[in-house]
Parts: sequence; structure tokens; C-alpha cells
Amino acid sequence: AQSVTQLDSQVPVFEEAPVELRCNYSSSVSVYLFWYVQYPNQGLQLLLKYLSGSTLVKGINGFEAEFNKSQTSFHLRKPSVHISDTAEYFCAVSHTGGFKTIFGAGTRLFVKA
Amino acid sequence: GAVVSQHPSRVICKSGTSVKIECRSLDFQATTMFWYRQFPKQSLMLMATSNEGSKATYEQGVEKDKFLINHASLTLSTLTVTSAHPEDSSFYICSANQMNTEAFFGQGTRLTVV
Repeated sequence: AQSVTQLDSQVPVFEEAPVELRCNYSSSVSVYLFWYVQYPNQGLQLLLKYLSGSTLVKGINGFEAEFNKSQTSFHLRKPSVHISDTAEYFCAVSHTGGFKTIFGAGTRLFVKA
Repeated sequence: GAVVSQHPSRVICKSGTSVKIECRSLDFQATTMFWYRQFPKQSLMLMATSNEGSKATYEQGVEKDKFLINHASLTLSTLTVTSAHPEDSSFYICSANQMNTEAFFGQGTRLTVV
């Protein structure tokens, strides 16, 4: 079975500072990895995904993530955050065979002026 | 990417009534669809897995008689919340995928039971 651990429930950061949201997963099989963002009272928006190939994945809004198979991690980074990045971020994993997606508990990113 | 449409986006219903939520894959045929539930300030929890033409598989703790799932075609799955009560108020999200691909998510349905 797969599982996802988001190591920080909340991350406060000042505007224009860099940020890293941490995500570790466990799985005995090959996986796809995702980061989603959810703004208040809205659905999920896909930030980026790792399916195969390059381990450094670039997404929307200046975010990127690096797949580290040896450390079973998929941390999300942004070099300079904006107030508008304040939201809930979910790391997720699914089996490559097209099975269910398992979500982490979420990390609340709060960007302060 | 592929598009999954979920309808309605919001619904308010009276306690004791039933509500149906539709999930459609618009430009692909989905071998499997999934239903998730999200309580306020919590993560998404898988409720059930739905395969076209067969009975849904429910996660432990999910009442199959309360949350009826029908996957009548390769592009449509429905979730019916029967005899809804205020504790069923939540955000419901579906996803759909083909074999060996990632899942695509609908925009969710916010259900409020009054």
C-alpha cells in the first residue's frame, strides 16, 4: 500500500522569501507523484506531476519539485513566494497502473507581507 | 490534459432527502472513477472506486447503502447521497483515469444539508 507524509502542517513565510514544502512517500511499486494546490472553497489545481523521465519537474506559478527515489521524497520549492501563494498544498501519489490517488494531510502555506 | 466535469458544483438539500452528483469524463473513456470526500481543513479521503459495469468497491468505514455509486458508462459515474443528514455536508470530488495513466479530477461538489 502507498502512503504520503507531508512533514509540515503549516509553513509561514514572508513574501519574496524561498519556500520548501516537504513530502515523503512509501510504496513498494513504481509511482506517479503530484502536487496540488487548493484555494479556499475551491477544487484542486494541479501544480506539477512526475510520471517518468527527468527528476526535476517544473510546474505552474514558478513551482518546481524534485523526485528523489533513494529518499522517497518529492519536495516542492519556489524561490520567491507571493501573497497569492497562500493556500493549502497537497502531495499525492498513485500507482503507475492507474489506481487510486492517495493524498497527504496537506500543508498550509501562509505568506506574510 | 483530459477534462473531468462534475455537476453540480454546489447543492443545498433538506435533511432526509437524496442528492445525486455526476462525474463525467469529457474527452476520454475512463476505465475507473474514484470518489473522494473532504471535510473542512482536512485532506481528501477516498470513499470508493468505481469500474464501469461492475459494483463499486468501498473503503473501510464508508456506508455503501448511504453513498450509492453507479458507473453506467465509460464516461459517467454518479454518487447518490441517500437520506442526507447535516453530518454528510462536505466537499465531494471525483477523479477519472484510463489504465496506466494519471487521474484527472473534477472541480468538486459542495454539499450542504440543512
